[in-house]
Amino acid sequence: AQKITQTQPGMFVQEKEAVTLDCTYDTSDQSYGLFWYKQPSSGEMIFLIYQGSYDEQNATEGRYSLNFQKARKSANLVISASQLGDSAMYFCAMREGYNQGGKLIFGQGTELSVKP
Amino acid sequence: NAGVTQTPKFQVLKTGQSMTLQCAQDMNHEYMSWYRQDPGMGLRLIHYSVGAGITDQGEVPNGYNVSRSTTEDFPLRLLSAAPSQTSVYFCASRYTSGLSNNEQFFGPGTRLTVL
Repeated sequence: AQKITQTQPGMFVQEKEAVTLDCTYDTSDQSYGLFWYKQPSSGEMIFLIYQGSYDEQNATEGRYSLNFQKARKSANLVISASQLGDSAMYFCAMREGYNQGGKLIFGQGTELSVKP
Repeated sequence: NAGVTQTPKFQVLKTGQSMTLQCAQDMNHEYMSWYRQDPGMGLRLIHYSVGAGITDQGEVPNGYNVSRSTTEDFPLRLLSAAPSQTSVYFCASRYTSGLSNNEQFFGPGTRLTVL
């Protein structure tokens, strides 16, 4: 069964510094997708970045990049040049299979606080 | 497009009462799902559907029923509410065809309290 683990319940980072949020996953499928979502205090879920299991390069979206290490089954989110608005909960998620109907399963989340 | 809409935004129930959380999307998405969010536990999948007439259980289905009679709507029914069902409930939808990185869109959530 698929499983996502985020081992950092809370993280602090100084404004303008980079921060890495950890995510490890477990799956027996060869085809899967990894996602990161942001949830600010207002509660909405915001999609940040996606990495496919067959993608050879790490995904990047603006200040977000995904450090994908397939052999270690990790998909860490890197946020460069942190901003105060980055303070939020961050969730890693995985969808198994190339069938787009696969379930999306989430980790427990990491609460990031950016200090001025 | 309204995206994914959920009603109500807030609800208080007494133990044993039943109710239906409504979810609708206007993006013609095949896939719809329900999650509950509890502190420290992330989002846990309750039920999901890959199309009208097709539903399946997620990680925590007990105490909840769903049906999918149309592409647009995916209601979640609490049969006999219990305090353990106090949570924030999110509905989500996405395409199942096309790009593999199909983003899942979330509704604004329903905050349910069971006394």
